[in-house]
Amino acid sequence: AQSVTQPDIHITVSEGASLELRCNYSYGATPYLFWYVQSPGQGLQLLLKYFSGDTLVQGIKGFEAEFKRSQSSFNLRKPSVHWSDAAEYFCAVGPTGGFKTIFGAGTRLFVKA
Amino acid sequence: KAGVTQTPRYLIKTRGQQVTLSCSPISGHRSVSWYQQTPGQGLQFLFEYFSETQRNKGNFPGRFSGRQFSNSRSEMNVSTLELGDSALYLCASSPAPGQGAYEQYFGPGTRLTVT
Repeated sequence: AQSVTQPDIHITVSEGASLELRCNYSYGATPYLFWYVQSPGQGLQLLLKYFSGDTLVQGIKGFEAEFKRSQSSFNLRKPSVHWSDAAEYFCAVGPTGGFKTIFGAGTRLFVKA
Repeated sequence: KAGVTQTPRYLIKTRGQQVTLSCSPISGHRSVSWYQQTPGQGLQFLFEYFSETQRNKGNFPGRFSGRQFSNSRSEMNVSTLELGDSALYLCASSPAPGQGAYEQYFGPGTRLTVT
């Protein structure tokens, strides 16, 4: 069955430090992969997406992610975290059967001064 | 382009009542999906509509229903509300079929509280 796993429920990073959020997926075919960010009380915003081609994709707000087929991973990275990056981050894969996108459980990022 | 809009933003209802939530997708987007988000269950898929047809439905009871209009606007309805229906209801729209079809653009959500 298709699934998305985000192993870390929450992560705390110092401002200015680098960040890596992990995402593993289970999917039978070549997936479309996404990262979304959600600030408290808000909807989700698309950070970046991977459909095909270059396995390192750039997104908004200085984020990037790398698709590794051999590891079934799509980890999100940022070289230097800002306090405004504190939010919840969701990895997603689609389309699954019936045009459905599956979301991971999310990783909450805390940024300390 | 204007983003996805959802109305109302906040709603308080009593157990047993019914509620209708509205979603207007981004202009030109024909697919609309609905999600329920709670602290315990995370993001759960409710249903997806494309060109007024429900293409997929999540594992929710029949009290949850939806529809899409010819202008792609969508509504979802929850009848006989239960306390456990308290959640943030998110609507997302996607472009027409094609490689970009599975990018989703979310509205701010409707916060429903059932007392």
